[in-house]
Amino acid sequence: EVQLVQSGAEVKKPGESLKISCKASGYSFNSYWIGWARQISGKGLEWMGVIYPGDSDVRYRSSFQGQVTISADKSITIAYLKWSSLKASDTGMYFCARLSDWRNAGRGPIPKGGFDYWGQGSLVTVSS
Amino acid sequence: EIVMTQSPATLSVSPGERATLSCRASQSLSSNLAWYQQKPGQTPRLLIYGASTRATGIPARFSGSGSGTEFTLTISSLQSEDLAVYYCQHYNDWLITFGQGTRLEIK
Repeated sequence: EVQLVQSGAEVKKPGESLKISCKASGYSFNSYWIGWARQISGKGLEWMGVIYPGDSDVRYRSSFQGQVTISADKSITIAYLKWSSLKASDTGMYFCARLSDWRNAGRGPIPKGGFDYWGQGSLVTVSS
Repeated sequence: EIVMTQSPATLSVSPGERATLSCRASQSLSSNLAWYQQKPGQTPRLLIYGASTRATGIPARFSGSGSGTEFTLTISSLQSEDLAVYYCQHYNDWLITFGQGTRLEIK
C-alpha cells in the first residue's frame, strides 16, 4: 500500500529554520517525483516544487525559488521541505504528494499525470 | 506561468442533479489537466487526469472533458458526500499551478 506520512505540526518564531518531512512507503521511492503544496487558512492550493529522488533533480515554482529547499534521502525514502528563515507569511498547511506518471522528453523529464497519493499535511505556524 | 481560472466560485446543486464545473487555462494544455476533490478537513484526492481519465476507485458519476484551454468536470448525479472544494491543476510543464477552486454545496 502506497503511503506518504508527514511530520507533525510545528510552531516557530520568525527567523527560525525548519525542516519538515514526508516518509514514503509501498512503492519504488527513486522512480516517482514527489512534490510539495501549500494551503493557507483553508484557502486554495499552491504548488511549490517537486523532486525526483532517483537523482535529486528539483524543479521549483518561481515564487518559491530561493525561499525553500526541497531535498530527499533515498536511503530512508524521505522527502524534505526546508526553510532557513521563516516568516509569518509561511504559516499554513503543507502537503507532499506523489506524481503518478512522467516521461523523458527530448528536453528532459516532463510530468504526465496528476498527483495520486498525498500526505496527511503538516501544519506550520510562524508567530512571534 | 499558466493561470488557471475556475468557475463558478460556488455552486449549489440538489442531490440527484447534475453539477458542471469549469476550468480555463491561459494557454493551451493539450490534455495535461487533473481535477481534485478536497472535502472539509481532508487532503486532496485525485479524481481525473489526462483531462478525462478517472483515477483508480473514482465513481463513474465523475467525468472530465475538454482539451486545449477549456475543461469541464461533471458530476452526473450529485450525492451528499460530494460536498467539497474542487480544484483543477495543469501539469503541462513543471510550473504546475492550480485553479482557485469551486466550492460545491448541496441544496
